[in-house]
Parts: sequence; structure tokens; C-alpha cells
Amino acid sequence: QSVLTQPPSVSAAPGQKVTISCSGSSSNIGNNYVSWYQQLPGTAPKLLIHEDNKRPSGIPDRFSGSKSGTSATLGITGLQTGDEADYYCGTWDSRLSAGVFGGGTKLTVL
Amino acid sequence: QVQLQESGPGLVKPSETLSLTCTVSGDSIRSSYWSWIRQPPGKGLEWIGYIYYTGSTNYNPSLKSRVTISIDTSKNQFSLELSSVTAADTAVYYCARWAGGGYSYGDYWGQGTLVTVSS
Repeated sequence: QSVLTQPPSVSAAPGQKVTISCSGSSSNIGNNYVSWYQQLPGTAPKLLIHEDNKRPSGIPDRFSGSKSGTSATLGITGLQTGDEADYYCGTWDSRLSAGVFGGGTKLTVL
Repeated sequence: QVQLQESGPGLVKPSETLSLTCTVSGDSIRSSYWSWIRQPPGKGLEWIGYIYYTGSTNYNPSLKSRVTISIDTSKNQFSLELSSVTAADTAVYYCARWAGGGYSYGDYWGQGTLVTVSS
């Protein structure tokens, strides 16, 4: 299983808000930056958030990131059908000396 | 605009070596770290390792004994070799520009290439 723990799936209605959690430990999330990726079906992952809460140029402010202790959260407001995708969290694990990802969360916009 | 493109065989026989190359355009390969990540069909992402232009590398401990990542600054390319492959190595392989150290994120990714391990 993955070093970081994410819920397998979340769902919400268009226009609503959803949050996706990512749980780790002191060797990863607790002492390193967290990033978030969106993967639309059949495409490569796309960076949404880096360094816990920074959005790359071109990412709308509907997407936000936060971190507390050894957990991180991705928030998406104003849900659109085009947001249906798999979402992954990632970070560095200082004990493993390796990059690590969560298992991914499938977002369904009902 | 930074672009990355993976290339290499789509089919590799068990016990042989998987070899892929990533060609970078729109950026100098001397500017950053560069990573390989893979994704088995229907499963999540797995970080394989990264390389810096100096040749310094860091590999996933679970793959370390079988992985070699190298870099060719003259061609603006970096490469992956994974030896003694089995069916479990069947995956889409992505290359990405990587923020190293504790930052650890990929801001530009290739489109990915499916490598199937089968006889």
C-alpha cells in the first residue's frame, strides 16, 4: 500500500465544495512540502498545488491546499463536471529518502 | 514552453532490461532535477528516481537494485534503465521536471509511454 493515505473516492454536486485528505507521518508530510496533482482519464498528471499551498500559473483559485501536522488537504470549490478526475498527493519521505505518493482519490461530480 | 517526450520500446521480454529516453525541449537540462515516475494500469503513481545534471541520482529503495538513471546534457536528454523486468513492471512510464530536495514535485510531465512486459 501507499505511504500516504487518501480516501479512494469522494463525490459532490456541481457548484459545491469538496475536500480530499492525505495522511502521512513525521518523516514525510510532517517535515516536507506537499504537492497535489489532477489526472484526467488517459492523460498525464497535472500539478495543481506545490509547497503545501502554492498554485502554479494557470491553476484557478478554486483549487487550494493546506497542511496541518502530518495531514494535508486539497479543497476544490465551485465543482464542475470537468473536475472529474483522479487526484494524488505527493511529498518527500526523509526516512525512505524517496518521493512518495498517495494512492489517489477518484472525484465524481454528480 | 517546457515539453518532455518519452521514447523507447513498448514491449520488453521478462528478465530483459527496459530502456527509455526523455527528450526535454524549452528548457536546459542543466536547470533542474529530472524524474521518472510510473503508473501500473489502473493503479497509482510510483516515483522511480531523479537525476541532476551533475549526474547525482536518488532512487526509490524498492527499485534501487535494478534502476539506473543517466543524463546526456549535450542532447538535453535523460534516460531510464530497469533491469530484470517482470510483468509487475508493466506500466505507463512518465518523465518529469522535478523540484528536488524537500520540495519534491513535478511541474512539467511527459505524456507517458506504456511499457508492457511479456514474452
